[in-house]
Amino acid sequence: GAGVSQSPSNKVTEKGKDVELRCDPISGHTALYWYRQSLGQGLEFLIYFQGNSAPDKSGLPSDRFSAERTGGSVSTLTIQRTQQEDSAVYLCASSLGGGQGYTFGSGTRLTVV
Amino acid sequence: RKEVEQDPGPFNVPEGATVAFNCTYSNSASQSFFWYRQDCRKEPKLLMSVYSSGNEDGRFTAQLNRASQYISLLIRDSKLSDSATYLCVVNRGGSARQLTFGSGTQLTVLP
Repeated sequence: GAGVSQSPSNKVTEKGKDVELRCDPISGHTALYWYRQSLGQGLEFLIYFQGNSAPDKSGLPSDRFSAERTGGSVSTLTIQRTQQEDSAVYLCASSLGGGQGYTFGSGTRLTVV
Repeated sequence: RKEVEQDPGPFNVPEGATVAFNCTYSNSASQSFFWYRQDCRKEPKLLMSVYSSGNEDGRFTAQLNRASQYISLLIRDSKLSDSATYLCVVNRGGSARQLTFGSGTQLTVLP
């Protein structure tokens, strides 16, 4: 597609449930990033994939969070045993790498009730 | 200290005004600099890259001062459509490739 696609656009889940968020980057973009943005807050880095290299997971807030990127394209962010503080907009971005600017998807708004 | 610091505003300016936003960053190894724009409940979008010599894109001018670790964005002849949050963004430097975002400066252009 022409842009970064994320699904679902909205997700409401009960506390303690697991959720999976999907990101389909721009074709040809080797770098893929996950960020989250809580209401009224800045963007918080979560994880970064670059080609076939080991991902940079330094931003993941706890071991309940994990992500994978299959075939160098689609990525899935999984949150296990969701908590209310996980409520945020989860943004995926892709780029050609090398520190260039990103293109963001429109995000998944996660609400944990 | 935050890696990227911005004045949160809000800045409320009349149409046609000139407004400037400033930003400081803490990591002297940072090599890439950007301004992003984020509209309410939307994703951030790249506004412009910032180059050492300074660069201009229409009504927008970006400046970088590496010695002071300072970035600025100047908007001339403000339009109502410029109302948004402006995010200062730097890469983390060294081998890191991810970008660090400031919390943003909110701009409202008034008719």
